Amino acid sequence: SQQGEEDPQALSIQEGENATMNCSYKTSINNLQWYRQNSGRGLVHLILIRSNEREKHSGRLRVTLDTSKKSSSLLITASRAADTASYFCATDGSGGYQKVTFGTGTKLQVIP
Amino acid sequence: NAGVMQNPRHLVRRRGQEARLRCSPMKGHSHVYWYRQLPEEGLKFMVYLQKENIIDESGMPKERFSAEFPKEGPSILRIQQVVRGDSAAYFCASSPEIQRGGQDTQYFGPGTRLTVL
Repeated sequence: SQQGEEDPQALSIQEGENATMNCSYKTSINNLQWYRQNSGRGLVHLILIRSNEREKHSGRLRVTLDTSKKSSSLLITASRAADTASYFCATDGSGGYQKVTFGTGTKLQVIP
Repeated sequence: NAGVMQNPRHLVRRRGQEARLRCSPMKGHSHVYWYRQLPEEGLKFMVYLQKENIIDESGMPKERFSAEFPKEGPSILRIQQVVRGDSAAYFCASSPEIQRGGQDTQYFGPGTRLTVL
């Protein structure tokens, strides 16, 4: 079964608004990562947050991690049309190597 | 530093033919992962390889699928006797040596889109 489940499945907002996507997972993790995928393209790594971190920033991105709730959120502030993409969270197992499990993704559409 | 390279980008095969997908990891990376993505779905892990070794193939179908990462040259994902259900995007990722304490970032290639007619 999927480890990560993103919520919502699809999100449509106006340019300039903030977009928040959530990810829930089932088992304990070492790290959680967020990726972006433009339509028909490969994945681009956005940010990695370790299990002992609660919040991380990178430019317009803010990621939080709540290991007690087994959930993470990705906030994109001041969205742009170029942010239109699918966003996936990915978790590694705690088994000591990098088997990464992806969720089903959130499709974000930013309307100019 | 060139990123992860995959070829071909698009591959069309008829049912019963063989598909060979190639992945060249980033320079200095010795870990390769293959994922499959069906339309409108997330990526599903298939196999994790280091040079000349398969570490975890738990996500790979037992029949018709095989993967290798030789000492020299790219990693190859081979699908024999393809069926329509094999149509998907296949992504390769690479990472450097695992850092102590867990994970390092995986860098993804652009993918190979396989279409089985």
